[in-house]
Amino acid sequence: GQNIDQPTEMTATEGAIVQINCTYQTSGFNGLFWYQQHAGEAPTFLSYNVLDGLEEKGRFSSFLSRSKGYSYLLLKELQMKDSASYLCAVKSWGKLQFGAGTQVVVTP
Amino acid sequence: DTAVSQTPKYLVTQMGNDKSIKCEQNLGHDTMYWYKQDSKKFLKIMFSYNNKELIINETVPNRFSPKSPDKAHLNLHINSLELGDSAVYFCASSHDAPGALHQPQHFGDGTRLSIL
Repeated sequence: GQNIDQPTEMTATEGAIVQINCTYQTSGFNGLFWYQQHAGEAPTFLSYNVLDGLEEKGRFSSFLSRSKGYSYLLLKELQMKDSASYLCAVKSWGKLQFGAGTQVVVTP
Repeated sequence: DTAVSQTPKYLVTQMGNDKSIKCEQNLGHDTMYWYKQDSKKFLKIMFSYNNKELIINETVPNRFSPKSPDKAHLNLHINSLELGDSAVYFCASSHDAPGALHQPQHFGDGTRLSIL
């Protein structure tokens, strides 16, 4: 099996930066995904990392260190609409296993 | 132009009943999935089909039976519903092939199942 750990909740102010950490233990690693899920909606794809380093996509960036079993999702210039749950998911042996999600609350 | 659509969106029924949830994708993907998201928001894989063949079958009670009539459809039938089956069930699809590991899964809007 595998363990995926991420904080339960984080609060930040509009315009600020928030970093959501994710640690995992797995075998047969095929990549790490980040998804965003607004309350009552479907998860939507944000980013994918399979090699070490930083992937940047607009206000969102994701980092991976395979040797440390560690990833983070960086959200810059936070907007109210960024209030959502952020799910870290590890792909191994053809399966995508999700963490419990980090609820990000953006305050004015 | 919905990519992954599942019906119904809401399902309220009595314990012991049998119900089905349908899923269709028009993305041309070859792999489809069913996930269960419980009250703690933990999203867990149940089944996966690739080109109509079952490839992932997690530890799910055999009251749950998936069926894939073609690679664009994956339905979920649940027999003898129990209180613990109350959850949101998400269908998803992706393109899975060598060299396509980076392809993300696309999710439907979910079916909210409530057992009375």
